[in-house]
Amino acid sequence: AQSVTQLDSQVPVFEEAPVELRCNYSSSVSVYLFWYVQYPNQGLQLLLKYLSGSTLVKGINGFEAEFNKSQTSFHLRKPSVHISDTAEYFCAVSLSGGYNKLIFGAGTRLAVHP
Amino acid sequence: EPEVTQTPSHQVTQMGQEVILRCVPISNHLYFYWYRQILGQKVEFLVSFYNNEISEKSEIFDDQFSVERPDGSNFTLKIRSTKLEDSAMYFCASKPGQGLPYEQYFGPGTRLTVT
Repeated sequence: AQSVTQLDSQVPVFEEAPVELRCNYSSSVSVYLFWYVQYPNQGLQLLLKYLSGSTLVKGINGFEAEFNKSQTSFHLRKPSVHISDTAEYFCAVSLSGGYNKLIFGAGTRLAVHP
Repeated sequence: EPEVTQTPSHQVTQMGQEVILRCVPISNHLYFYWYRQILGQKVEFLVSFYNNEISEKSEIFDDQFSVERPDGSNFTLKIRSTKLEDSAMYFCASKPGQGLPYEQYFGPGTRLTVT
């Protein structure tokens, strides 16, 4: 079975500082990896995804993530955050194969302060 | 840009009542999903639906739950007799097909409050 661990429940950071949100996964088979963002009172929006190929993937709003197979990690980074990045961030996995369910981590609340 | 829509945005119901949560997936999508998020907890998979039948369901999705695609555009989740612990945000998602893109597109959610 697959599982996802987001190591930080909350990450406070000052505006324009860099940030890393950590995600580790467990799976005995190959998976696809995703980061979703949830702004207050809104649904889930895809930030980026890793399917195969280059381990560094770039997403929307200046976010990027690096897939590390040996460490089973998929950490999300942004070099300079804005107040508008304040949101809940979810890491998720699905089995490779296209139509399978998403398994989510518990989420990390990113709070950007002025 | 096409979006997944959900109605209502907030539903309040009494314990034991039936509720139907409605979703309109993106029009050319073939795979449909329901997830729920109890306040303060992670998003959990409930059920996936393809070709007019359930393709997978979780342990949460017991006999009190059912899904239907009644008219080719709507996708509904019915809870037959609601319990207090069914209070959660329910998200509908859809996906085009087995190939690219692999991500699921989520609706804004329906907040269900059972009193």
